[in-house]
Amino acid sequence: EPEVTQTPSHQVTQMGQEVILRCVPISNHLYFYWYRQILGQKVEFLVSFYNNEISEKSEIFDDQFSVERPDGSNFTLKIRSTKLEDSAMYFCASSEGSTRYQPQHFGDGTRLSIL
Amino acid sequence: QKEVEQNSGPLSVPEGAIASLNCTYSDRGSQSFFWYRQYSGKSPELIMFIYSNGDKEDGRFTAQLNKASQYVSLLIRDSQPSDSATYLCAVKGGSNYKLTFGKGTLLTVNP
Repeated sequence: EPEVTQTPSHQVTQMGQEVILRCVPISNHLYFYWYRQILGQKVEFLVSFYNNEISEKSEIFDDQFSVERPDGSNFTLKIRSTKLEDSAMYFCASSEGSTRYQPQHFGDGTRLSIL
Repeated sequence: QKEVEQNSGPLSVPEGAIASLNCTYSDRGSQSFFWYRQYSGKSPELIMFIYSNGDKEDGRFTAQLNKASQYVSLLIRDSQPSDSATYLCAVKGGSNYKLTFGKGTLLTVNP
């Protein structure tokens, strides 16, 4: 079964450094998403992306965050100047479309630890 | 603020019993409702979704939706120890792309 793949599985970074999290969505999917989950808390939406544009973003997704689809397969989340509170699991998801009939499928996540 | 509420549990059931997981949501414009299973330290795994009032069955799982009461539930029949996980309810509005998640209910199935 096709799946969303994410790399790396674990990233350790010093506070203030830039980090790039990578995702390969399911091949025929057109909508891409990033979510995060701080330890012990709920999964939170960050951003959705379609047709090379951000279609929706949350209040969390401020100027330190950016997303990009650098080629036909990868989808990246960049955090420019990491803070301690950015430590979380980051999940990439994708869906065929954005209708109510088309669910989002999640990757295995990247655990980001900021020191 | 659009909210999705779930009992955090833990919900403990014996093997072979029916587990019943509940979720309420605040946004009346919500269009579709998803149940994900999340094992500790792992990613959400889609179990099933529902968008029409009533019941939807898939194997041992049944999702139930009541839009008038803003309530969605998941029944797991013949519960197995491997069903032990946190079950996340997620809701999608009609005009946006994001999923809004509840905090999840921890289910423990005892052998």
